[in-house]
Amino acid sequence: QQQVKQSPQSLIVQKGGISIINCAYENTAFDYFPWYQQFPGKGPALLIAIRPDVSEKKEGRFTISFNKSAKQFSLHIMDSQPGDSATYFCAASNSGGGADGLTFGKGTHLIIQP
Amino acid sequence: DTGVSQDPRHKITKRGQNVTFRCDPISEHNRLYWYRQTLGQGPEFLTYFQNEAQLEKSRLLSNRFSAERPKGSFSTLEIQRTEQGDSAMYLCASSLGTEQPQHFGDGTRLSIL
Repeated sequence: QQQVKQSPQSLIVQKGGISIINCAYENTAFDYFPWYQQFPGKGPALLIAIRPDVSEKKEGRFTISFNKSAKQFSLHIMDSQPGDSATYFCAASNSGGGADGLTFGKGTHLIIQP
Repeated sequence: DTGVSQDPRHKITKRGQNVTFRCDPISEHNRLYWYRQTLGQGPEFLTYFQNEAQLEKSRLLSNRFSAERPKGSFSTLEIQRTEQGDSAMYLCASSLGTEQPQHFGDGTRLSIL
C-alpha cells in the first residue's frame, strides 16, 4: 500500500522556469512533510519541510504548498537551474509517536535544460 | 565533515553470505534510522533507535535482518544468508530527536552475485 503518491515520475524544465512536483497522502495521522533532493551515488539531502499548521513555506527558491483538506502538498522550484537536476522525493511521517520513520514517494527525476 | 558516515560504501558478496554495515550518526543525535532504497524507488523505512533502544523493528524485511546500537552511538545492520533480492542501497539517517529532521548518509550499496 503506497501511502504517499508522487507525480510526475519525470519532469523536464527549461532553465529559469518553475518546476512543480506534487504529492498526495492517505494517512491523516501524518504531521510532518519534508522534501529531499538526491544526486546519483549520494544519500537524500533535506531541502525543506512543512507541518500542517501552515499552508505555505518558502526557503530561497524552494516553496512548499500544503492543502490539508485535500491531503496534498507540492514543491515549487523557482528560477530552476541546471544544478537543480536531481531526483526529488516527498515524504511524510507521524512524529507523535510509534514508528516515526519517513514514508517516501517514488521520486521525480528532474532535468533542467540549459 | 560531521555528517552521517556509512561504511563500506560498496559491498559485493555471494548469495548466502552474511553482511554487516556500519553507520556513525551525527554527534549528539540520539535517534538513528535505517532505510533500504531499491533502484527507482524512494527509501523504505526499516527500523530506528532512540539511544541504544530499538523502538521499532516490525518493518525489518525478514528475520534475516537485524540491527544493533550497543552504546547508543554507532549502529550496525546485519543481513544473514543474503539473497538476490537484498541487492539495494542501505541508508542510515540520524536526528536530534522526535520532530527533528532526519539527515542521511550516502549509503552502502549491496550487490549480491
